[in-house]
Amino acid sequence: EAEVAQSPRYKITEKSQAVAFWCDPISGHATLYWYRQILGQGPELLVQFQDESVVDDSQLPKDRFSAERLKGVDSTLKIQPAELGDSAMYLCASSLRWGWETQYFGPGTRLLVL
Amino acid sequence: AQKITQTQPGMFVQEKEAVTLDCTYDTSDPSYGLFWYKQPSSGEMIFLIYQGSYDQQNATEGRYSLNFQKARKSANLVISASQLGDSAMYFCAMRGTQGGSEKLVFGKGTKLTVNP
Repeated sequence: EAEVAQSPRYKITEKSQAVAFWCDPISGHATLYWYRQILGQGPELLVQFQDESVVDDSQLPKDRFSAERLKGVDSTLKIQPAELGDSAMYLCASSLRWGWETQYFGPGTRLLVL
Repeated sequence: AQKITQTQPGMFVQEKEAVTLDCTYDTSDPSYGLFWYKQPSSGEMIFLIYQGSYDQQNATEGRYSLNFQKARKSANLVISASQLGDSAMYFCAMRGTQGGSEKLVFGKGTKLTVNP
């Protein structure tokens, strides 16, 4: 069964350092999402891509976060510099197309900023 | 704005019994979708079931069913014949069409513990 791949699964970093997360969606899925999940809460959308274009990045802290999906397939989310409050689970999801399609999630990356 | 409310922080159920996890929502969208996801301790969000706002019948997927009451704006998840492996966090989520984004809005989740 096709799955969303993410790496790394765990990341420990010190504040002010740069970190990057990678996501490979299910093959053929045009829409890709990055969510952040703080402990004890539900995920919140950071950025949504349709192919290589950003559809929604209204909740992305653009002073330190950036996301790209250059060829419309895999994607990278970067934080520079990391802050203590960035400690969270970062989840990637994909769906077949823009519209009423189910979003399938990857295993996530747990980030701890010290 | 869209909002999902899950009022049960934790629920306990005996193995083989049924359990209902509550979810209420608020939206001004005429068309929307409701989802339930399971999140084990490993962290992955696993899709369980989907209900469209115009669907006439309640959705079912194996041991999972969604009790959709549109007038009450509720979308409760019913798990029948609970198994030990059902112990996890459960999230209710809604997708609407505001602003052109297809993002999911999640509730805070309910932690389900299945006792042997």
